[in-house]
Amino acid sequence: GESVGLHLPTLSVQEGDNSIINCAYSNSASDYFIWYKQESGKGPQFIIDIRSNMDKRQGQRVTVLLNKTVKHLSLQIAATQPGDSAVYFCAENIKYRGSTLGRLYFGRGTQLTVWP
Amino acid sequence: DADVTQTPRNRITKTGKRIMLECSQTKGHDRMYWYRQDPGLGLRLIYYSFDVKDINKGEISDGYSVSRQAQAKFSLSLESAIPNQTALYFCATSDNNEQFFGPGTRLTVL
Repeated sequence: GESVGLHLPTLSVQEGDNSIINCAYSNSASDYFIWYKQESGKGPQFIIDIRSNMDKRQGQRVTVLLNKTVKHLSLQIAATQPGDSAVYFCAENIKYRGSTLGRLYFGRGTQLTVWP
Repeated sequence: DADVTQTPRNRITKTGKRIMLECSQTKGHDRMYWYRQDPGLGLRLIYYSFDVKDINKGEISDGYSVSRQAQAKFSLSLESAIPNQTALYFCATSDNNEQFFGPGTRLTVL
């Protein structure tokens, strides 16, 4: 069955360092992946996405890498700041009636803590 | 104003009671979703709707029902609440690119 999981439940980094959050997925038919950030008391917020025909995509201070061979996804945050402290979820898309964004399966999340 | 709103934000109820959680959106999206979040389990899909006449079960629909009253409104009901339905509930909407989440409803069933 579909399964999206995280390698580490928690990650602590020092302010200014780079952070890498990892995610494994099991459905080789998934064609779209998203990273979400969830701050305490709030709903998840979109960070960055990537389609399966890409290996890398960059945003502002964030980069997502996709390795389809080993079904692995990672989120890299450059120069991590205290405001980056949150739970990060990866999600994979399962198509519905040919639609790109049918339904999402979420990983369990990684708690990122940034200390000064 | 928030694009996706949920009411109530917090609710404490007793076993056996009927509860309705409501979601409204101003984004004009056709697709709406209800998720449940439990500690250590991420978000799990309860029900989803791709338009007003379309309702689909998600991974964990048992014990829940939904109603899509209009494009902008999608409500989740617990007909007879039980303690293991204590969780954080999120509504989301989407276009073709990403899902936008509401602020969540924290439900406690005693």
